[in-house]
Amino acid sequence: SQQGEEDPQALSIQEGENATMNCSYKTSINNLQWYRQNSGRGLVHLILIRSNEREKHSGRLRVTLDTSKKSSSLLITASRAADTASYFCAHGSSNTGKLIFGQGTTLQVKP
Amino acid sequence: GAVVSQHPSWVICKSGTSVKIECRSLDFQATTMFWYRQFPKQSLMLMATSNEGSKATYEQGVEKDKFLINHASLTLSTLTVTSAHPEDSSFYICSARSIAVGGVGIQYFGAGTRLSVL
Repeated sequence: SQQGEEDPQALSIQEGENATMNCSYKTSINNLQWYRQNSGRGLVHLILIRSNEREKHSGRLRVTLDTSKKSSSLLITASRAADTASYFCAHGSSNTGKLIFGQGTTLQVKP
Repeated sequence: GAVVSQHPSWVICKSGTSVKIECRSLDFQATTMFWYRQFPKQSLMLMATSNEGSKATYEQGVEKDKFLINHASLTLSTLTVTSAHPEDSSFYICSARSIAVGGVGIQYFGAGTRLSVL
């Protein structure tokens, strides 16, 4: 299976703390994307990092990419209760547009 | 950002009936749409790639006669679950691919359809 792995599978933190989620993948990539899913809803695109980038920021989100280790991390700083959701990394083919999703990390931020 | 509308959001049907799910890109044209299935507390599994004006490409293990996909226009793809059975009960999500600056494609997702087959 080409599906990547994410860890931790579940993460519970207090509001204000930082949350770090990790993603590993198996193939060469052109880019890696992070998505968020609220319970019972569709996915929302958060951030895309290209294979020639090492770090990218968007608001309270910080994504790193280490292509030598085939891994990426998503850091959410100063977490809020509204950040409670599942987070997925995804990579895929730039030709077909297909995405392969990681297993996901379920984040719970307690108020 | 780009908006994808998926309808219905929830459907209950009797075993043996067929159910059609619609996926529309509201503010952009999508030559490629994707259909996923998601089981509780699991990740998304790609079922098929829907290409406008041509046949869908199904992933290994997905029955094309069971899950009929039609992509008749640049803004609409439909998934029909034929002769549904309880094991088809699941959360189905569509996405539409939009080409961003630099040629990188980003998928925008519908809100999903929860199918319950009795």
